[in-house]
Amino acid sequence: GAVVSQHPSWVICKSGTSVKIECRSLDFQATTMFWYRQFPKQSLMLMATSNEGSKATYEQGVEKDKFLINHASLTLSTLTVTSAHPEDSSFYICSASWVSSRETQYFGPGTRLLVL
Amino acid sequence: DQQVKQNSPSLSVQEGRISILNCDYTNSMFDYFLWYKKYPAEGPTFLISISSIKDKNEDGRFTVFLNKSAKHLSLHIVPSQPGDSAVYFCAALYNNNDMRFGAGTRLTVKP
Repeated sequence: GAVVSQHPSWVICKSGTSVKIECRSLDFQATTMFWYRQFPKQSLMLMATSNEGSKATYEQGVEKDKFLINHASLTLSTLTVTSAHPEDSSFYICSASWVSSRETQYFGPGTRLLVL
Repeated sequence: DQQVKQNSPSLSVQEGRISILNCDYTNSMFDYFLWYKKYPAEGPTFLISISSIKDKNEDGRFTVFLNKSAKHLSLHIVPSQPGDSAVYFCAALYNNNDMRFGAGTRLTVKP
């Protein structure tokens, strides 16, 4: 089956620093990648959708200048949390699809971010 | 706005018995529904789905039922196995564009 990896799997950083999370599709070319955020005991919340070579589409309420998304190739998308604050601590999950359909998306293992 | 709701945060079932996980939605425009299974510190994995034109879809031990008039869907797992212990999310999709997840139900299957 399709495999999606994320790196790092967890990260602890100081408040004010920036953190980059990578999402890679290992055995297929992902035309579309999705970034989700999950708070403890809460639902997965879609943050943004990115198509290779174009700007990401952010969901309402998500600060595009804070959560920078780059989908530079068909196998790699990055999410950079800029000037991270403790409230950004969360579990970030990416998913990838080779079609624009949200039905067929494969999820990465997630990245746990803790901002001190 | 919580358009997809899973009102039971947890469920405990004995091995071999049936597990029934419920999900309610408010937006009648949703036309596709999915169930995902998630282990701790891992991403969700797709389990089973159903189109709004159907009322039942079965795949092995997993069956999803859809009641459009009640805006309710359920996932049945029978027989339940200890390896089924995980958090289950239902998700609803509108026009292949807007996907909403429920908050999840933690299933524990006791041996």
